[in-house]
Amino acid sequence: EIVLTQSPGTLSLSPGESATLSCRASQSVSSTYLAWYQQKPGLAPRLLIYGASNRATGIPDRFSGSGSGTDFTLSISRLEPEDFAVYYCQQYGSSRLTFGGGTKVEIK
Amino acid sequence: QVQLQESGPGLVKPSGTLSLTCVVSGGSLSSSNWWTWVRQSPGKGLEWIGEMYHGGGTNYNPSLKSRVTMSADKSNNQFSLRLRSVTAADTAIYYCARVTWGQFYYMDVWGKGTTVTVSS
Repeated sequence: EIVLTQSPGTLSLSPGESATLSCRASQSVSSTYLAWYQQKPGLAPRLLIYGASNRATGIPDRFSGSGSGTDFTLSISRLEPEDFAVYYCQQYGSSRLTFGGGTKVEIK
Repeated sequence: QVQLQESGPGLVKPSGTLSLTCVVSGGSLSSSNWWTWVRQSPGKGLEWIGEMYHGGGTNYNPSLKSRVTMSADKSNNQFSLRLRSVTAADTAIYYCARVTWGQFYYMDVWGKGTTVTVSS
């Protein structure tokens, strides 16, 4: 099973600052099958990024994804109040799917 | 616009079977999409349970495979999850989601989730 490790566990930032979230895989994953989700309290996850770097419909351009192989990054520039949430990466391969443990972006 | 809605008992007894249904509206279960279940234990992260295709294909999380069955009900445009021999560890919010799987793989439509508690 491919393990995804997200870091940091918690990121304390102020609105207007930038965030860099890391997702590291225990072995190489296909970037086309790497996605990022945002989850706010009491709500279902929402797709942000697919294929490692493609923004989903309606996602603002302050969200961007990058990476390949075992290292992937979600970047959020100019944090808005609605961006404070938990973010998960996800990979799919060999008919198995795993999520990372999540990074919480909280208001400092 | 496709929407998903989970339903099922909110309380299941230990050793019993958890049965949930996800109704697909605004679209067809028989589209080219796969359909998946994801759960989230209280205060924890996301756990993939498995996925299914209306034509009968399924893939399950190896850790749950021996207890899980997913199936499609095309006449009612819905799909279901059965999880046998449940314990308190199966207490979670259960989400159904649509999978777009082609050049990319991602879950782009989610239900709101349903809470299931395993307790006597």
